[in-house]
Amino acid sequence: AQSVTQPDIHITVSEGASLELRCNYSYGATPYLFWYVQSPGQGLQLLLKYFSGDTLVQGIKGFEAEFKRSQSSFNLRKPSVHWSDAAEYFCAVGPNQAGTALIFGKGTTLSVSS
Amino acid sequence: EAGVAQSPRYKIIEKRQSVAFWCNPISGHATLYWYQQILGQGPKLLIQFQNNGVVDDSQLPKDRFSAERLKGVDSTLKIQPAKLEDSAVYLCASSLRGDWGGGEKLFFGSGTQLSVL
Repeated sequence: AQSVTQPDIHITVSEGASLELRCNYSYGATPYLFWYVQSPGQGLQLLLKYFSGDTLVQGIKGFEAEFKRSQSSFNLRKPSVHWSDAAEYFCAVGPNQAGTALIFGKGTTLSVSS
Repeated sequence: EAGVAQSPRYKIIEKRQSVAFWCNPISGHATLYWYQQILGQGPKLLIQFQNNGVVDDSQLPKDRFSAERLKGVDSTLKIQPAKLEDSAVYLCASSLRGDWGGGEKLFFGSGTQLSVL
């Protein structure tokens, strides 16, 4: 079955430190992979996406992610975290079997300490 | 360009009452999705429309939830009767055709936060 697992429910990182959020997926073929960010009271914003080609993709706000087929992973990274990065992060895979919808993980809450 | 519009922003009802949510997708977007996001979880697909036809409603609790997309534009999601476990944020999203390989993006509305007491 198609699914997305985000093993870390909550992560706290010091401001200026590096960040890695984990994402593992289960999918029958090569998936389309996405990372979204959701700030309190805000809608979901796309950070980056992987379709094909270079396995290291760059996104907005200084984020990047690496697709590793052998590990079924698509981890999100940022070299230096800012306090404004505190939010909920969702990994998603698509399309689902019946249509074109994305399947989302349960999310990782990022807190940034000063 | 205008984004995905949803209303109302908040709704509080008692269990067994009915409620309706409205979504206006981005102009020209053929694909419309309704997602349910329970607190502490990721969005879960309820239904996908392509124009005014249903593509996937396998996860829609059809005994109480219904949705329609009149003329392939606006959409309404209804719950009747509501249960306590329906408390969640209901997100509407749209895309041009759902062609992720073609570089399309999925645009989300701000959602309707439903509290069932």
